[in-house]
Amino acid sequence: NAGVTQTPKFRVLKTGQSMTLLCAQDMNHEYMYWYRQDPGMGLRLIHYSVGEGTTAKGEVPDGYNVSRLKKQNFLLGLESAAPSQTSVYFCASKLLLAQGNEQFFGPGTRLTVL
Amino acid sequence: AQSVTQPDIHITVSEGASLELRCNYSYGATPYLFWYVQSPGQGLQLLLKYFSGDTLVQGIKGFEAEFKRSQSSFNLRKPSVHWSDAAEYFCAVSTGGGNKLTFGTGTQLKVEL
Repeated sequence: NAGVTQTPKFRVLKTGQSMTLLCAQDMNHEYMYWYRQDPGMGLRLIHYSVGEGTTAKGEVPDGYNVSRLKKQNFLLGLESAAPSQTSVYFCASKLLLAQGNEQFFGPGTRLTVL
Repeated sequence: AQSVTQPDIHITVSEGASLELRCNYSYGATPYLFWYVQSPGQGLQLLLKYFSGDTLVQGIKGFEAEFKRSQSSFNLRKPSVHWSDAAEYFCAVSTGGGNKLTFGTGTQLKVEL
């Protein structure tokens, strides 16, 4: 059981470039989430999904798109990267009927936009 | 909208001393509350959670937290801190459709030997 994995671990982009972050979970969880973490701001929700084929906006969705074509994968896309998107990105997943609503987190992706 | 406040940005304690990290939340209904810990360069690990029942919850690594509805607080405690406890600690509340987590801004714990 790998849990929640994220690819890549590190990435450096130039302003205007695009990229996709991949999150995969092998726990058969229905819910998946993308957060960004910035110093002094904690983690903020970008987008989330309550099931295959569904996505919804979180607190800071601008500049990002997501897709959930398969239950186990949740993709986060940056179409035109900006320096303000320099951050550490965390993916998480949760079982639909988890007692206590616990989310399981991946190890993170550190993204730098120059 | 729900919110979580962690009033202490940095805390320094001596190894072996007791620890209390403060967390206040704002939410209309009974919340699901969590404490996560993040070591440098690592992901988040769940320390403990509260969703119902006994208001004093025990977690991993010797941590506990007490839910106080009257004070809208969920403070994290440890009787004797170890040097390996140095990390950043996040309080979070789970609410709404999709059970989204709202995090506090975190408390950085430094342990002096």
